[in-house]
Parts: sequence; structure tokens; C-alpha cells
Amino acid sequence: GQQVMQIPQYQHVQEGEDFTTYCNSSTTLSNIQWYKQRPGGHPVFLIQLVKSGEVKKQKRLTFQFGEAKKNSSLHITATQTTDVGTYFCADLNTGFQKLVFGTGTRLLVSP
Amino acid sequence: DTEVTQTPKHLVMGMTNKKSLKCEQHMGHRAMYWYKQKAKKPPELMFVYSYEKLSINESVPSRFSPECPNSSLLNLHLHALQPEDSALYLCASSWGAAEKLFFGSGTQLSVL
Repeated sequence: GQQVMQIPQYQHVQEGEDFTTYCNSSTTLSNIQWYKQRPGGHPVFLIQLVKSGEVKKQKRLTFQFGEAKKNSSLHITATQTTDVGTYFCADLNTGFQKLVFGTGTRLLVSP
Repeated sequence: DTEVTQTPKHLVMGMTNKKSLKCEQHMGHRAMYWYKQKAKKPPELMFVYSYEKLSINESVPSRFSPECPNSSLLNLHLHALQPEDSALYLCASSWGAAEKLFFGSGTQLSVL
């Protein structure tokens, strides 16, 4: 079956440093969604990418979809302690209504 | 109202018990989902309901039985669970198949 891997599994940064998580798939990605899950919380939708090569920004967050639609990335500029949590990419298999989550990257930000 | 409400928040049950998890949304969403999440793992899809009909069952054991009484409600009936079924059970809803998911805060289930 489809595997969506994220690297790194875990990253610990100092506040103000940048952070990037990469999402890679064994098959061509359909629509990529990104979610953030705070410790003890539930996943919260961040953004959806549909087109090859698409780049979207939300304040300090930049999301990219690879040209070949086999990978995606999330970059956070100048992290803040409020960025702490696990970031999941998820591939939306629209034909089967299935959202397959990546393995996740846990981000810890020290003040 | 942009919330998905799940009850109970915590549940402890024995392996012979029968219990139900409940999920409610009033956003008019037509798709509802059950996910299971183990600690430090991604959510895993269990069931999808589309327009109140079960459209996906991800080979979930029959001790988990979903029910969608109406477009706003989703239940998960639990019977004869195993300790390895202990996990966070998340309900979600969306407008349709290609739309973003709204998750509830989950039910933390412990099976003793």
C-alpha cells in the first residue's frame, strides 16, 4: 500500500531558528494536506496543495508541492514556542475518500 | 459552529464491556470519519461514512461497529475489545471527499 514518510521524525530547535519537514511518497501524491497536532490535542488543518510545483504561504509557514508530485515540504521561518507540535502531511486519495497520513515530524522549540 | 464534539473524553473499559463513542457535528458536513491514533503515531483511518452510508471499512475487526443515525451523528460501538485497542479515537467530518477534515478532540480509550 501507499507509504507517506516524513523526515525528520523529530527536531528540537531554539526559538528563532528555522524548521523544515519533508514529506515523501512511494507513489504519486494526489492532493496534499498538512495538519498540526499540539501535544495532547487533535489534528488541525493547515493547508491543501493540489497543483504540481505549488507554493503557498501562511505568515511564517511556507508549503511546497514537488514538481513530480512525489514530495512536499513545510518550512517555518523563525520558530516560536507556539509552533510546538507534530506536523503531518496527508495524501488525499480522492477516488477512495481516504486521507493517508504521513509518519509525522515532532517539533520542539526551546525559548 | 465549526466544532466536532466527541464524548466521552476518556473511557476505561474491561474486555467484556460494551461501550459507545459518540461524535456530533452541525456544520452540514456529509462525510464523517473514525480514526485511531496510537501514541507518537499518525492517525489511521477506520471507517468513512458518506451521506450516512458506510463507504469505507479499512478491514477493522468486528468488535468495532460504526453507526451513522443521521447526518450529524456518528457512533462507534465497542464490544469485547483487547488491550491493544487502547488508543485515541478521533472523529472527523468534511464537506466532501476532497475537502479538509475537521477533527474532534478525541476519546482516549484504555482497555484493561
